[in-house]
Amino acid sequence: RKEVEQDPGPFNVPEGATVAFNCTYSNSASQSFFWYRQDCRKEPKLLMSVYSSGNEDGRFTAQLNRASQYISLLIRDSKLSDSATYLCVVNIEKSSSNTGKLIFGQGTTLQVKP
Amino acid sequence: DGGITQSPKYLFRKEGQNVTLSCEQNLNHDAMYWYRQDPGQGLRLIYYSQIVNDFQKGDIAEGYSVSREKKESFPLTVTSAQKNPTAFYLCASNSRTGANNEQFFGPGTRLTVL
Repeated sequence: RKEVEQDPGPFNVPEGATVAFNCTYSNSASQSFFWYRQDCRKEPKLLMSVYSSGNEDGRFTAQLNRASQYISLLIRDSKLSDSATYLCVVNIEKSSSNTGKLIFGQGTTLQVKP
Repeated sequence: DGGITQSPKYLFRKEGQNVTLSCEQNLNHDAMYWYRQDPGQGLRLIYYSQIVNDFQKGDIAEGYSVSREKKESFPLTVTSAQKNPTAFYLCASNSRTGANNEQFFGPGTRLTVL
């Protein structure tokens, strides 16, 4: 079983739609969680961190469910520019021994159509 | 502008040759990382370094070597022992290894073995 699993998609949605991605992680000791965005043939860039209480940044909402070990990303009012691959990322290390190592999911591809 | 640079952007290698990928950062970050990304897959950690003159193997270190003689530089050598080296190679850094903070990525090097 992969440590971080995502549905690879692609998710094809019209402009203005709301779309949600889920991600599951296997290690219950996971400490911190992130969503990264990767455009085609480019490097990943941090989209947002995911906090236990859930957090929102404009049209993007991230939530964490520790009991079920999943993370979600909700995108409202999709734009053409949201087309990208979204990577779910987990850090399993405690702060005291944190090497900064991250575990990446394979990514979920979103294609927003006009 | 602060950031991470990788060179070259594209690299072609004949089988049996060693090649070295460059990674430089002027962010004053202590920790640096090398990842490999294959089509449809997440990033996999090759090597990482938390401080100058120290580095550790990641999940797929076989066939690779690194050095960390300077804080700013973390070159990766892909040796002839790496059986399937064609991939997208990404270098990253972050400022502190004990914190929940962002990894910054370079633009990547696409290596193709002919």
